[in-house]
Amino acid sequence: DVKVTQSSRYLVKRTGEKVFLECVQDMDHENMFWYRQDPGLGLRLIYFSYDVKMKEKGDIPEGYSVSREKKERFSLILESASTNQTSMYLCASSLPSGPLLGYEQYFGPGTRLTVT
Amino acid sequence: QQPVQSPQAVILREGEDAVINCSSSKALYSVHWYRQKHGEAPVFLMILLKGGEQKGHEKISASFNEKKQQSSLYLTASQLSYSGTYFCGTATHGSSNTGKLIFGQGTTLQVKP
Repeated sequence: DVKVTQSSRYLVKRTGEKVFLECVQDMDHENMFWYRQDPGLGLRLIYFSYDVKMKEKGDIPEGYSVSREKKERFSLILESASTNQTSMYLCASSLPSGPLLGYEQYFGPGTRLTVT
Repeated sequence: QQPVQSPQAVILREGEDAVINCSSSKALYSVHWYRQKHGEAPVFLMILLKGGEQKGHEKISASFNEKKQQSSLYLTASQLSYSGTYFCGTATHGSSNTGKLIFGQGTTLQVKP
């Protein structure tokens, strides 16, 4: 079974702290994604990566950065946490898509981050 | 721009049917459907590709109208286990080779005994 794990289920940080959220997948997937989930807004893409050291901005990248030094690990970094970044953060991975191909995303359990 | 899902919420009795719609303003390459139970991660249900190929469940079906940029998820003879929030995720032609999806806001389905 594909397994996507996230470093913490719950995290509480103070405003201005630098926060690292870690995601690891064990299925050798090329693609990895970071989303935030807020009530009524669904899943919004923050950043994604389609290869080691490759990254692209999603729809809401402001205030976030990412790092992918190894294929199995994708980190989300909040440079200076703010209260409006309190949310559920979900990581996902998938095989690469292509013409006439589409592959499902496998999600981790999520990290509920509270910034006070 | 996020696709729009309708309805936002629906309550059913066991055995009843439901339809969840997903509509995009952009030309779509594929549509994915996921279900998330409370406190759990979203789980893949179905993918619909341009050209008609469909993968997914036996008991849950879906359609994809490429011209209208719409997809519908059909839940027939609903069971208690169908309860959860359903998300559609859309891929446009420009993102088809990256696997990037844009998700709708979700539809909450509650099935009662």
